[in-house]
Amino acid sequence: GAVVSQHPSRVICKSGTSVKIECRSLDFQATTMFWYRQFPKKSLMLMATSNEGSKATYEQGVEKDKFLINHASLTLSTLTVTSAHPEDSSFYICSAARWGSGELFFGEGSRLTVL
Amino acid sequence: GQSLEQPSEVTAVEGAIVQINCTYQTSGFYGLSWYQQHDGGAPTFLSYNALDGLEETGRFSSFLSRSDSYGYLLLQELQMKDSASYFCAVRDGPTYTGGFKTIFGAGTRLFVKA
Repeated sequence: GAVVSQHPSRVICKSGTSVKIECRSLDFQATTMFWYRQFPKKSLMLMATSNEGSKATYEQGVEKDKFLINHASLTLSTLTVTSAHPEDSSFYICSAARWGSGELFFGEGSRLTVL
Repeated sequence: GQSLEQPSEVTAVEGAIVQINCTYQTSGFYGLSWYQQHDGGAPTFLSYNALDGLEETGRFSSFLSRSDSYGYLLLQELQMKDSASYFCAVRDGPTYTGGFKTIFGAGTRLFVKA
């Protein structure tokens, strides 16, 4: 199956700093990627749709200035959590959709801890 | 609003059959998918139904009734390794760069006992 790689898998940062998470599709071109957030033993909450070459589409209630998404190439999307606060601590997972397929391929996830 | 309802927990014994139900209410509908997630891992795709009826993939089957906004995942010959969370997910609508926006249910934790 398709492979999506996410990095870093774990990151700890101080409050007020920014953290960048990368999501790469390794064996296919992904014009669309999705960023989800997951709390312990909870569902995956869609944060935004990352669109290659254009602005991301954010879900209602997600602050676009806080969660910056860039999809500059067909294989890479990045999520930057700006001015992180402890309440931003969570598991962030990216996924990619191959053109013409609705199946989502997920990255391994990134666990962010803000101290 | 968007909502997907599924049971929070199910417990079954090895070798048994278990059915996980999902009802949904979404603004758009292009199909129902099921994903499996083990603790600490990433979700993996199990099955997809775009049309009414039953889809079978090995020990797993998935059913959809669009008129009832209802679907289920059926797991047969349960094994200990099937202990995981199972999410139903609705393809809400296409994005303009390809793929479908997917909304997830809260997940059902399946515990398989010996």
